Amino acid sequence: SQKIEQNSEALNIQEGKTATLTCNYTNYSPAYLQWYRQDPGRGPVFLLLIRENEKEKRKERLKVTFDTTLKQSLFHITASQPADSATYLCALVGYSSASKIIFGSGTRLSIRP
Amino acid sequence: KAGVTQTPRYLIKTRGQQVTLSCSPISGHRSVSWYQQTPGQGLQFLFEYFSETQRNKGNFPGRFSGRQFSNSRSEMNVSTLELGDSALYLCASSWQEGRATEAFFGQGTRLTVV
Repeated sequence: SQKIEQNSEALNIQEGKTATLTCNYTNYSPAYLQWYRQDPGRGPVFLLLIRENEKEKRKERLKVTFDTTLKQSLFHITASQPADSATYLCALVGYSSASKIIFGSGTRLSIRP
Repeated sequence: KAGVTQTPRYLIKTRGQQVTLSCSPISGHRSVSWYQQTPGQGLQFLFEYFSETQRNKGNFPGRFSGRQFSNSRSEMNVSTLELGDSALYLCASSWQEGRATEAFFGQGTRLTVV
């Protein structure tokens, strides 16, 4: 069955460093991969989408890579700030318009001052 | 413009009861999806509606059902509630059925079954 794994439940990073989160998947060939941020008690907020034929996508301090051979996406936050502390979710989307979005369990990122 | 609105925000129900949750998507969005989020299972897809038709369904028992109205508002119903149904129920809307667009989530309804 389809499976998504995010590298760790929690990640602690010193402010100013680059945070790197990993999303691995098996038994799936996604058309798109999305990253969301979720703060406690709130719904996820969309950050970035990358297509299967794209290697890298950037948005301000965020960078996402997508390697369909390794079946892996990396999510980077450069110059991390305490305000970046949140849970980050990756989500896979199939080719069919009827395919559902499958979410990973998330990585809780903490940026310490 | 207004975001996705879910009501109620919090709900406490007793085992065996039924519950109806409501979701108002962003104006112009025709696709509404529902998710259940628990600490142990993460975000799990329940179903998706587009133009009043259910387009996809997750692996949940028939006690979970939903519908979408002509104004794109959606409701989700859970009958014969069980303790394990306690969760945060999230609704997300997008403007089209395709997947290249982002999903906008509401703040969720926190359901507690006692």
